[in-house]
Amino acid sequence: EAAVTQSPRSKVAVTGGKVTLSCHQTNNHDYMYWYRQDTGHGLRLIHYSYVADSTEKGDIPDGYKASRPSQENFSLILELASLSQTAVYFCASSDILGENTLYFGAGTRLSVL
Amino acid sequence: GQQVQQSPTSLVLQEGENAELQCNFSTSLNSMQWFYQRPGGSLISVFYNPSGTKQSGRLTSTTVIKERRSSLHISSSQITDSGTYLCAMVASSGSWQLIFGSGTQLTVMP
Repeated sequence: EAAVTQSPRSKVAVTGGKVTLSCHQTNNHDYMYWYRQDTGHGLRLIHYSYVADSTEKGDIPDGYKASRPSQENFSLILELASLSQTAVYFCASSDILGENTLYFGAGTRLSVL
Repeated sequence: GQQVQQSPTSLVLQEGENAELQCNFSTSLNSMQWFYQRPGGSLISVFYNPSGTKQSGRLTSTTVIKERRSSLHISSSQITDSGTYLCAMVASSGSWQLIFGSGTQLTVMP
């Protein structure tokens, strides 16, 4: 069974603080993605990666950094959290870039106060 | 404007009724997918359907590439079908990225 695990499941952060969201996959997939979802909206791509030690910018990378230390792990880092980054964040993995099925994690609900 | 338009935005059904969800694309598409999202939950791929018709149980997806649209039909709806259905496309030119619609929120009442 394909599995993508995110931690934490929810987080409250203060404005200006650093936040790290973690993602671990056991699918043996090359591609991993970070999306954010705002209430009533679809998902938007923040960063993605196709190999360890390399990350690429998605549609909305400003204010976010990503790290892929291994094939299994992909982190999203908010160095200086802002109110506008309050959202639900989803990690996903796939074996083919942009095609075939994406496997999503359960999401992390981030509230920045 | 939005590249992926979903309709309706929300839909309320009585259990047993059928549902038809629509997805329209403003550009030519290479492939598309339908996802189901439980309230407050993760997304699960329902169909990867670049073209034609696919069926899985009570769900049927039809994608017509040249008309830039896809539909998801749910027959004999059940309370457990409640949630948000999102479609996403990969454009035929340019970026490989999945572009998501805003979703249709389905509520099935007993």
